[in-house]
Amino acid sequence: DVKVTQSSRYLVKRTGEKVFLECVQDMDHENMFWYRQDPGLGLRLIYFSYDVKMKEKGDIPEGYSVSREKKERFSLILESASTNQTSMYLCASSPTSGSPYEQYFGPGTRLTVT
Amino acid sequence: AQTVTQSQPEMSVQEAETVTLSCTYDTSESDYYLFWYKQPPSRQMILVIRQEAYKQQNATENRFSVNFQKAAKSFSLKISDSQLGDAAMYFCAYRSARDSNSGYALNFGKGTSLLVTP
Repeated sequence: DVKVTQSSRYLVKRTGEKVFLECVQDMDHENMFWYRQDPGLGLRLIYFSYDVKMKEKGDIPEGYSVSREKKERFSLILESASTNQTSMYLCASSPTSGSPYEQYFGPGTRLTVT
Repeated sequence: AQTVTQSQPEMSVQEAETVTLSCTYDTSESDYYLFWYKQPPSRQMILVIRQEAYKQQNATENRFSVNFQKAAKSFSLKISDSQLGDAAMYFCAYRSARDSNSGYALNFGKGTSLLVTP
């Protein structure tokens, strides 16, 4: 079974703190993604990576950065957390080759910024 | 960017009955994939069913089936013999088959919350 793990299920941080969200997958997938999930808005793509050290902005990258130093690990960084970044953050991974390319999700991190 | 629309924010079904969740999408591509994901309360998002656009036959996975209408750009999910465990948020998602620059990212609808009543 594909396993995608996230470092924390729940996280509470203060405004202005630097926040790291970690994601690890064990299936040697090339692609990794960070989404933000908010009620009524569905999932919105923040950043994705299709290879080690490669990253691309998604739909809502402002206020976020990412790091992918190893194939299995993809980190989301909030440089200076703000209250409007309170949300559920979902990590996902998918292969590039071999259909049907569905994404496998982690359990999510519910981040509260106070 | 492709847009995915789920017009039903909430749906309700009685146990053992059938329910259909609707999804429409907007694309100019001819080759793509469509997915339905399920997210139970406080639990992990899991894949329910997938459909390749080049396949005319509708996908089926046990009690879950889709009605894929390519010309109408419609991709509805039918759940038969509904069970209490089917209660969840359901997301429809689109993925291009050729846009490798996007890392094959998914475009999600806003979700439909399904309530199953005894």
